[in-house]
Amino acid sequence: NAGVTQTPKFQVLKTGQSMTLQCAQDMNHEYMSWYRQDPGMGLRLIHYSVGAGITDQGEVPNGYNVSRSTTEDFPLRLLSAAPSQTSVYFCASSYSGGQGDIQYFGAGTRLSVL
Amino acid sequence: GDSVTQMEGPVTLSEEAFLTINCTYTATGYPSLFWYVQYPGEGLQLLLKATKADDKGSNKGFEATYRKETTSFHLEKGSVQVSDSAVYFCALRAGNTPLVFGKGTRLSVIA
Repeated sequence: NAGVTQTPKFQVLKTGQSMTLQCAQDMNHEYMSWYRQDPGMGLRLIHYSVGAGITDQGEVPNGYNVSRSTTEDFPLRLLSAAPSQTSVYFCASSYSGGQGDIQYFGAGTRLSVL
Repeated sequence: GDSVTQMEGPVTLSEEAFLTINCTYTATGYPSLFWYVQYPGEGLQLLLKATKADDKGSNKGFEATYRKETTSFHLEKGSVQVSDSAVYFCALRAGNTPLVFGKGTRLSVIA
């Protein structure tokens, strides 16, 4: 059982480049989300989705796009990378958006923007 | 909006010492409360949770009690081990809103 799989694990970009961080889950979870983790800031929500075809913005959505065409996949796109987007990115999923649901996290993607 | 405040780290303890990491929250309604743990180089994983007032969550020797009157969910362990070294996050979820995290507390346990 793979759980939540993120690729790549590491990435270095130059300012202005675009890229897509991949996230896939095999648990048939409806709810998926993307966070970024920065020192001293904890985890901040970028975007989330409550099901295929439905996405919404979190706390820090600027500079990022998402789409949810299938239940399994929730890619995060950086349109024009900036040094401020240097961070560790985590994808998470849960069965539904329910209050008591446990979120399952991927291992993360460490991104550096030069 | 909803928020979580947890004690600043880092916390450094000797093996077998008692651990407390304080967590307080602000939320409308009655949220569910969680502690997640992040071991070095890994993603977060659930440590324990509580969904209503006076519930006690427990796992791997860690405990936390949902205290509505003090809006707190402090994490405790009676005797820490080197393998407990990690970053601990307190979090809440109210209704269908997304999970809200505290800033995390780094724990280092030395032998």
